[in-house]
Amino acid sequence: LAKTTQPISMDSYEGQEVNITCSHNNIATNDYITWYQQFPSQGPRFIIQGYKTKVTNEVASLFIPADRKSSTLSLPRVSLSDTAVYYCLVDPNSNSGYALNFGKGTSLLVTP
Amino acid sequence: DGGITQSPKYLFRKEGQNVTLSCEQNLNHDAMYWYRQDPGQGLRLIYYSQIVNDFQKGDIAEGYSVSREKKESFPLTVTSAQKNPTAFYLCASYPGTVSSGANVLTFGAGSRLTVL
Repeated sequence: LAKTTQPISMDSYEGQEVNITCSHNNIATNDYITWYQQFPSQGPRFIIQGYKTKVTNEVASLFIPADRKSSTLSLPRVSLSDTAVYYCLVDPNSNSGYALNFGKGTSLLVTP
Repeated sequence: DGGITQSPKYLFRKEGQNVTLSCEQNLNHDAMYWYRQDPGQGLRLIYYSQIVNDFQKGDIAEGYSVSREKKESFPLTVTSAQKNPTAFYLCASYPGTVSSGANVLTFGAGSRLTVL
């Protein structure tokens, strides 16, 4: 499975839009990109998943260019409660057994 | 509500003792995973299982063992061979064949193991 690379950390002020980019150069044709959010001492939770172009839900947008070698998670108007670690995962989205390996994630700090 | 239950939430162990962390899911998911997380670090895969009675090693399987006798259960044993077992352990499940939507991991709340 494709390895992922993300910035280690990012800082933002409340109310700003935050964009976190993930690089996955070796993504396979059938792979999806999934983003998770993790608060301290909790399990990660699903934010958004996409295959190509743009996906939007109530909490985030996911932009995937045509070559699919990267993806960008966009969090609109962040609040203090968005301070967390964000992981992107290349996911075969298949019923076959795959080792789902996470990278180190991006630690986002939102300040007033 | 469907979900994943991990127990215990906190566990203390003396050096040289084996401990078993429980993971149970009622989501009817096919696959289950164990991850280890150290302070300030990402998630590292220990073991995963796609079907009952079958499991594969992840990147850091040494010193750990698992079993998958039932679809709902995937316990992790931290053996005395694990050199530095103090960590936060996360169990997750993944739909597979039964999914009607996006296949995503569902995580438990985690178990924090401290070796004294």
